[in-house]
Amino acid sequence: QVQLVESGGGVVQPGRSLRLSCAASGFTLRSYGMHWVRQAPGKGLEWVAVISYDGSNQEYGDSVKGRFTISRDNSKNTLYLQMNSLRAEDTAVYYCAKVPYRESYMYHFDNWGQGTLVTVSS
Amino acid sequence: DIVMTQSPDSLAVSLGERATINCKSSQSLLYSPNNKNYLGWYQQKPGQPPKVIVYWASTRESGVPDRFSGSGSGTDFTLTISSLQAEDVAVYYCHQYYSLPLTFGGGTKVEIK
Repeated sequence: QVQLVESGGGVVQPGRSLRLSCAASGFTLRSYGMHWVRQAPGKGLEWVAVISYDGSNQEYGDSVKGRFTISRDNSKNTLYLQMNSLRAEDTAVYYCAKVPYRESYMYHFDNWGQGTLVTVSS
Repeated sequence: DIVMTQSPDSLAVSLGERATINCKSSQSLLYSPNNKNYLGWYQQKPGQPPKVIVYWASTRESGVPDRFSGSGSGTDFTLTISSLQAEDVAVYYCHQYYSLPLTFGGGTKVEIK
């Protein structure tokens, strides 16, 4: 079955960097667009970024644009989120999420990982 | 950006009774070429990731009990739980995937009265 496992979260000081990973199994990662979504403690869901199935197109939410970079290594079945210049307001659980269809990433999310917690604090 | 407004923020319903959650989008989510509304509903239980229960506004995800139903079109949508069960206690989010940035409603917490 489809499994998404995030890793790389932790406590980091403001201004520093962190890279999250999302290991995919149970499906062919290279065929699907993938998203990152975050959730601050006790808050709602916020879309962060998306990458097309082949990595040729990336889009970002305004709050992370210019600081975060989404990428993928289809040969390793892994999605990444490079987070630079971290701020306290980036503190959240970060989820990777898959769309159910090929060809496009503009769909609902049919599978989510369990999430990894990033805490930005001095 | 498309703003998604959910109501109410929370509701308490007796077991076996109906729960209704509303979601309004600031722009139409209906894509005319395929006549589909780009609107999904998710259920999130404490300590768990969200889980899709409805997509295309009214298509129930496989395995989701038929007491869950989605309706609406354009800018106004509803998620209905026809007979609330204890395991339905959760926060429910609507989500538009019509245009970037993707956006979510603020969530509705459903509890047992």
